[in-house]
Amino acid sequence: KAGVTQTPRYLIKTRGQQVTLSCSPISGHRSVSWYQQTPGQGLQFLFEYFSETQRNKGNFPGRFSGRQFSNSRSEMNVSTLELGDSALYLCASSFRTSGRLQTDTQYFGPGTRLTVL
Amino acid sequence: GENVEQHPSTLSVQEGDSAVIKCTYSDSASNYFPWYKQELGKRPQLIIDIRSNVGEKKDQRIAVTLNKTAKHFSLHITETQPEDSAVYFCASNDLSGSARQLTFGSGTQLTVLP
Repeated sequence: KAGVTQTPRYLIKTRGQQVTLSCSPISGHRSVSWYQQTPGQGLQFLFEYFSETQRNKGNFPGRFSGRQFSNSRSEMNVSTLELGDSALYLCASSFRTSGRLQTDTQYFGPGTRLTVL
Repeated sequence: GENVEQHPSTLSVQEGDSAVIKCTYSDSASNYFPWYKQELGKRPQLIIDIRSNVGEKKDQRIAVTLNKTAKHFSLHITETQPEDSAVYFCASNDLSGSARQLTFGSGTQLTVLP
């Protein structure tokens, strides 16, 4: 199976602009989570989408948003970019199940390196 | 919310020695604990995981132990090799509810010296 893919791999933006990042999950995976990775804060959870619904959201301002499409592909958007938004944005997909045989093993994409100038 | 603490932040070992990385978590509802390895410039890759109904799990040179009472879990790498050099992250998740998220530790930079 093809792994998780993310586009673009690199982005350079200026303060005040907005950006959209895309994530294609592993075929059959319906859950997509987004994480921000920075040297200072480590890996921090942004949000999770499952069946086109946001199921959970991390402690980030409303400038960070996302959505998921019917084919499970997901996008995240950051509006009014700030210097502190420079980071590696990682998405992870999982074959999320519930109940007794619950599973949620998350597989990461290569990330999008966002630089805000 | 959940908090995961990871120690040490850096670890250097001689090739062939063992390495141990420890994590503690705060939320007693957490029931799933994966470990990821991230090489420089690469994506985090799952190397092993454990559920709260199991105390220990082993996969070749890698093992993970879990102490639910003390809320800590550890990664053990035996017979270390230079290719084991990377940043290792522990994480926790609660799979029982509908809202899920991986909460990560701060990472351990492991260096295996030849």
